[in-house]
Amino acid sequence: QKEVEQNSGPLSVPEGAIASLNCTYSDRGSQSFFWYRQYSGKSPELIMFIYSNGDKEDGRFTAQLNKASQYVSLLIRDSQPSDSATYLCAASWYGNNRLAFGKGNQVVVIP
Amino acid sequence: DTAVSQTPKYLVTQMGNDKSIKCEQNLGHDTMYWYKQDSKKFLKIMFSYNNKELIINETVPNRFSPKSPDKAHLNLHINSLELGDSAVYFCASSRTGTEETQYFGPGTRLLVL
Repeated sequence: QKEVEQNSGPLSVPEGAIASLNCTYSDRGSQSFFWYRQYSGKSPELIMFIYSNGDKEDGRFTAQLNKASQYVSLLIRDSQPSDSATYLCAASWYGNNRLAFGKGNQVVVIP
Repeated sequence: DTAVSQTPKYLVTQMGNDKSIKCEQNLGHDTMYWYKQDSKKFLKIMFSYNNKELIINETVPNRFSPKSPDKAHLNLHINSLELGDSAVYFCASSRTGTEETQYFGPGTRLLVL
């Protein structure tokens, strides 16, 4: 059973602070990792993807992947109220288009 | 320029009824998916089609039957609806490949009374 876990409860951060989200996955064969953002009542939209160990930066977002520890994280710098949403971590593995999603972390940015 | 579209957006129906949800994508993708998101926001794959062929069929009651008439369309028919079927159903599409991003439709909010 390929699982993705996001165990943190809702995260409240003041505007301008860094929001840090974590995700672990059970299958060492997992190849690709995705962070989706989902606003209430809307569909998931891709924020970032990462395939290689290390950091990947895109604007205010940084994804970090550590395959040895089976750990993926997302940092949101200079958090804005518009970042308030649920963030979904997902993993896929070689030869398979299936995405396994975590349960999501809700982020609330307080002005 | 809608990329992935679904109809209807909302569906309210009685237990025991049969209903269908339609999905279309204009991205030129060859793989399409159905996901179910329950009240706790957990998003779970149900089915996937690649070039009109079923490639993923999760443990889903056989009351759910997907159909892909062509690469750009994937429909979901649900027979004998039950209360537990109430959820948001998302269609998604992607190109084939592990590293390919999946693009989601707006969702169909199904409420079974």
